[in-house]
Amino acid sequence: QKEVEQNSGPLSVPEGAIASLNCTYSDRGSQSFFWYRQYSGKSPELIMSIYSNGDKEDGRFTAQLNKASQYVSLLIRDSQPSDSATYLCAVYREAGTALIFGKGTTLSVSS
Amino acid sequence: KAGVTQTPRYLIKTRGQQVTLSCSPISGHRSVSWYQQTPGQGLQFLFEYFSETQRNKGNFPGRFSGRQFSNSRSEMNVSTLELGDSALYLCASSLQQGVNSPLHFGNGTRLTVT
Repeated sequence: QKEVEQNSGPLSVPEGAIASLNCTYSDRGSQSFFWYRQYSGKSPELIMSIYSNGDKEDGRFTAQLNKASQYVSLLIRDSQPSDSATYLCAVYREAGTALIFGKGTTLSVSS
Repeated sequence: KAGVTQTPRYLIKTRGQQVTLSCSPISGHRSVSWYQQTPGQGLQFLFEYFSETQRNKGNFPGRFSGRQFSNSRSEMNVSTLELGDSALYLCASSLQQGVNSPLHFGNGTRLTVT
């Protein structure tokens, strides 16, 4: 089992819809979770971090964490064509270890 | 505040050669991590440096090495290049080493090995 797993997509949603991106991780001791966005030909850009169970909202983005299920998700409300990118889930297993990335989910928002 | 700066942006090398990539972290950031990104494997962790010491290492052969200087700037070196080393190499910095420190990435160095 890979450490961090994401559906590769593409996930296609119409403009204005909610996009839901999911990520599972294998190490129950994982402590910190991040979502990055990567546009084609660009480097990853941090968009959300979450450390405790529940929801964390930032503008149109909501990160959700369920440590018991080893599951973290990202919701994008009112999706825009500019949200079309690859979304990377990243997890720190435990203190002092490396940040491990999933392979990413490609999101396509059509106008 | 200036972001993470990587040089050069593009490199073309021949099999068997070696290459050195450079990374300047965000001012005040003391931890530098390096990743290799390829279409098939995604982002794979190479190594992390903090206070001039390698703290973590990924599953890459010894041809891949790095170092960090006292000003937190970092370099990575790849010796005896292979075709499979063609990739985007990303450097990322963070304030501290640890679980609550998100990484901030540079624009990367695109390495092509022919």
